[in-house]
Amino acid sequence: IQLTQSPSSLSASVGDRVTITCRASQGISSYLAWYQQKPGKAPKLLIYAASTLQSGVPSRFSGSGSGTDFTLTISSLQPEDFATYYCQQLNSYPRTFGQGTKVEIK
Amino acid sequence: QVQLVQSGAEVKKPGASVKVSCKASGYTFTGYYMHWVRQAPGQGLEWMGWINPNSGGTNYAQKFQGRVTMTRDTSISTAYMELSRLRSDDTAVYYCARVLYSSSWSALGYWGQGTLVTVSS
Repeated sequence: IQLTQSPSSLSASVGDRVTITCRASQGISSYLAWYQQKPGKAPKLLIYAASTLQSGVPSRFSGSGSGTDFTLTISSLQPEDFATYYCQQLNSYPRTFGQGTKVEIK
Repeated sequence: QVQLVQSGAEVKKPGASVKVSCKASGYTFTGYYMHWVRQAPGQGLEWMGWINPNSGGTNYAQKFQGRVTMTRDTSISTAYMELSRLRSDDTAVYYCARVLYSSSWSALGYWGQGTLVTVSS
């Protein structure tokens, strides 16, 4: 299963609403996770089961979708949110990742 | 608290093998699958496979079949990933990652700090 994220990168300002999409090449039900990665650090789980917020993750992060189309939304971008975001499908093997979306400061 | 501590950076020559360790603490080691993910410099994440620490069963990505071996030592709560016949394009940071909960469809909730493996002649 291929995952295609869009956009590949974006520039946004603090306080902006940001939406990242992840499209699967075939249906994956709700078996999708979102991760945040900062330079030189390991990825961090944000969302699992497409829309469940991982413990400790700020509520400005939300996920939605099922089947083939998914979104990660940051309702009000904060300085610490500038990072690269990846989706991962957990429906079948291999457990593929999207190519990543880099969120940069405008 | 769950902690995964990986072994240090490695430099290997093409054709050699590398074995990366991942020591777990803060939970029952045999209760949760351990996955391995790698990231080449400036690139995205690539899933390599998992090991069931309880049974030792494994599931490898087809790309790595025949070159990767994932093992564990339950007496010291440590998982291992060995990659053989190294090539320059195996240069990457290798991560171990524990599933969030005990399910085949679980996301990766806890990650090691990563181990840089450099393959160079």
